[in-house]
Amino acid sequence: GDSVTQMEGPVTLSEEAFLTINCTYTATGYPSLFWYVQYPGEGLQLLLKATKADDKGSNKGFEATYRKETTSFHLEKGSVQVSDSAVYFCALMDNDMRFGAGTRLTVKP
Amino acid sequence: SQTIHQWPATLVQPVGSPLSLECTVEGTSNPNLYWYRQAAGRGLQLLFYSVGIGQISSEVPQNLSASRPQDRQFILSSKKLLLSDSGFYLCAWAGTPYGYTFGSGTRLTVV
Repeated sequence: GDSVTQMEGPVTLSEEAFLTINCTYTATGYPSLFWYVQYPGEGLQLLLKATKADDKGSNKGFEATYRKETTSFHLEKGSVQVSDSAVYFCALMDNDMRFGAGTRLTVKP
Repeated sequence: SQTIHQWPATLVQPVGSPLSLECTVEGTSNPNLYWYRQAAGRGLQLLFYSVGIGQISSEVPQNLSASRPQDRQFILSSKKLLLSDSGFYLCAWAGTPYGYTFGSGTRLTVV
C-alpha cells in the first residue's frame, strides 16, 4: 500500500541555518503530496502542497518539489527562525491520507 | 467558510471512567471525518473514519469507539479508559481533494 517515509529527528539547528527534512513515498497511483506543521500543543496545519510531478509547493519561506523520478518531496528552508520550531509531517493523498512519522525541529537562537 | 471545532482542549480522567470527545464541522455537508491519536513523541495513528451518518470504519481494534449521529458531528468514546488511552486526539475533515483540515486537538491524560 501507499506509504511515506520521512527523516527521523529530532533535528536541532541554529537560527538562520539551512533546513532539509527528507521525505520519500511509495504509491501505486498519482498522489498529491503535503507538508503539515504542528506547533506545540496544537493541531496540524497545512504548510504546503503539490499535486503533480515537478510542482513546487511554497509557504512561509519553506519549499518542496514533487520529484516523481526519485519519489521524493523534501522540505527546505534557507534560513530557519526560532519560531519554526515544531513537528513537521510529510503526507500523501491518493484514496486516503498517509502520514510520515513526523520530524521534530528545534531552532536555537 | 468551513471550520472544524474540537473539544475539550484538555482532559484528565481516571482509569475506568468513560470518555466522550466531540468534533463538529461547519460550512460544509457530508464531509469525510477522521479521528487520529498521537502518542507522546510519536506520529499519527488513524483510529476511525466516517464517510456519512452512521458509517464508521475502524482502523485499529481497541478500547475506543466512534459514532456519527449527525452529518457534521463525529464523537469518540470509551466506556472504560485505560492508561494506554492517554495521548493527543485529533479530529480531521477531508475538505477538498487537496488535504485535510485538523481540529486543535484534545490532550487526554488518564491517571
